[in-house]
Amino acid sequence: EAGVTQFPSHSVIEKGQTVTLRCDPISGHDNLYWYRRVMGKEIKFLLHFVKESKQDESGMPNNRFLAERTGGTYSTLKVQPAELEDSGVYFCASSQEARGRGYEQYFGPGTRLTVT
Amino acid sequence: GDSVTQMEGPVTLSEEAFLTINCTYTATGYPSLFWYVQYPGEGLQLLLKATKADDKGSNKGFEATYRKETTSFHLEKGSVQVSDSAVYFCALSSGSARQLTFGSGTQLTVLP
Repeated sequence: EAGVTQFPSHSVIEKGQTVTLRCDPISGHDNLYWYRRVMGKEIKFLLHFVKESKQDESGMPNNRFLAERTGGTYSTLKVQPAELEDSGVYFCASSQEARGRGYEQYFGPGTRLTVT
Repeated sequence: GDSVTQMEGPVTLSEEAFLTINCTYTATGYPSLFWYVQYPGEGLQLLLKATKADDKGSNKGFEATYRKETTSFHLEKGSVQVSDSAVYFCALSSGSARQLTFGSGTQLTVLP
């Protein structure tokens, strides 16, 4: 079974440009999460989808960030326009709650975004 | 709000040394606690977890015990190997929220 995949693995863009990150969750996982780690600090939650619906987007930093999950499969995270402070590693995770197993999340390898 | 405080790194040990990485938390209710590991060039992997007080999570020789009285979930391993070199993250999830709250990560380097 394929794990969570993310594309691209690394993106370098200039301030003011637009970047779109993609996440493909594990097949059948209804829950999809976006996190990011900035400047080697803690990993912070951005938002949570259940199927195609945004369950919680309290961690989105501002309206330059737009996440979508059309059809409840893959998700995209668009940053427009990008700022220097958006640089960091963006992680995607998915989970399928199972009785007695809690909410184990499976993470992708991350996309390293560098804004210059 | 919820928070996780993790031992600052980096930590450098010799092979076969004993490892402790401290983790304490603040949360409402009764959180589930996790340790994730990120090996070089890879994504985060769940290392172990505990879902209630006094539970001990264990995997690959690593252990951590959920201590409610001290709000701690310290990671230990009796004899580290070079292959254990990675970044370790302590995390929790609490209440009805599904998202994880992470600590800042601890870089571990094990020298031969």
